[in-house]
Amino acid sequence: DTEVTQTPKHLVMGMTNKKSLKCEQHMGHRAMYWYKQKAKKPPELMFVYSYEKLSINESVPSRFSPECPNSSLLNLHLHALQPEDSALYLCASSQHRTGTGDDEQYFGPGTRLTVT
Amino acid sequence: TQLLEQSPQFLSIQEGENLTVYCNSSSVFSSLQWYRQEPGEGPVLLVTVVTGGEVKKLKRLTFQFGDARKDSSLHITAAQPGDTGLYLCAGGIRAQSNTGRRALTFGSGTRLQVQP
Repeated sequence: DTEVTQTPKHLVMGMTNKKSLKCEQHMGHRAMYWYKQKAKKPPELMFVYSYEKLSINESVPSRFSPECPNSSLLNLHLHALQPEDSALYLCASSQHRTGTGDDEQYFGPGTRLTVT
Repeated sequence: TQLLEQSPQFLSIQEGENLTVYCNSSSVFSSLQWYRQEPGEGPVLLVTVVTGGEVKKLKRLTFQFGDARKDSSLHITAAQPGDTGLYLCAGGIRAQSNTGRRALTFGSGTRLQVQP
């Protein structure tokens, strides 16, 4: 099983709403990632979790709050978002091979988020 | 500043033509990965190259890693409409430790359209 699943596939939310994006993998990967991708642009890294601990936060605003409940799940909690946060949010996972920073990443299909 | 520059940014060709996409950087990477992304989907890993000068083939796709591990190319022979998509290169930087891990850095992307 090389699948990363994400729910929901589409989400429309108002600026005062609170919502969560979910990501799941069952490949035994110990690194999980959140990316944001605007139209016609490459993915931009937001967060990296290694062994369920946050290891990288790329200066993401606090209105995005990640959570890794266990080694298979990754959530992204959203609160008080702005219209410019509308984008495709991608989750990825990889093996955590000690001593290397070049793990192959497997991506989910993404959640298309629209903030109104 | 984009760490990885891809060229061309956009390419529209006829079915059966050959093409080459380039990925260049001033930085040395421990590995380089190529992904293809279709609209509304997550990137799908095509190949990883790790050794300077390495050449890998995937059916009609040929990938090469530069001798100095700063650049890579993707050559497609006899392109087909199914090759249409966004092609992304991504570089991995070797981590000194688990806590020093860096995630992939993505190139600017090449959007390929193959007309039937």
